[in-house]
Amino acid sequence: AQKITQTQPGMFVQEKEAVTLDCTYDTSDQSYGLFWYKQPSSGEMIFLIYQGSYDEQNATEGRYSLNFQKARKSANLVISASQLGDSAMYFCAMSYNNNDMRFGAGTRLTVKP
Amino acid sequence: DGGITQSPKYLFRKEGQNVTLSCEQNLNHDAMYWYRQDPGQGLRLIYYSQIVNDFQKGDIAEGYSVSREKKESFPLTVTSAQKNPTAFYLCASRTFGGEEETQYFGPGTRLLVL
Repeated sequence: AQKITQTQPGMFVQEKEAVTLDCTYDTSDQSYGLFWYKQPSSGEMIFLIYQGSYDEQNATEGRYSLNFQKARKSANLVISASQLGDSAMYFCAMSYNNNDMRFGAGTRLTVKP
Repeated sequence: DGGITQSPKYLFRKEGQNVTLSCEQNLNHDAMYWYRQDPGQGLRLIYYSQIVNDFQKGDIAEGYSVSREKKESFPLTVTSAQKNPTAFYLCASRTFGGEEETQYFGPGTRLLVL
């Protein structure tokens, strides 16, 4: 069965420091995609970054990077130079061959001034 | 501007009533999705559709129904069979392949039971 696991219910980081949010997945599919989303208190889901299973380079988007370790089935999100506006829920998600999508339970990130 | 719209923002349902949540996208995406989010929880997939006139059940389809008559539209009906419908409902659409592989979400609809 396909499964996404985020083991950190909550994380704290000091402003301007880097933080890593963990995500592991379980699938027997060879082709899949990994996503990270940010959900502020307003409820909107903001797309951050995408990594395809066949991509050899780790994805990067501005201050966001995805540390993709295929053999370990992990897709951790790294946020560099944290800002107060980064405080939100963060969700990891995976898409499968049948275009289904599954989400993890989320991690609440709090950035301290 | 291209994007996904959901209406209404808030919806109230009486006991035994069916209600329909609207989702429209002008991104020319083939696939569309409906998720439910309970307070403090992650997203659970209700239904998804990869092409017009076709859709598949997700993990929690019971008590819900959908239709996909047009590529741009994927309405969700919460039926009276759904006994605990109070939640935040998110619609999404997706493009596949190419250099930009992503899934975008609408702003969501909060459903409350009176």
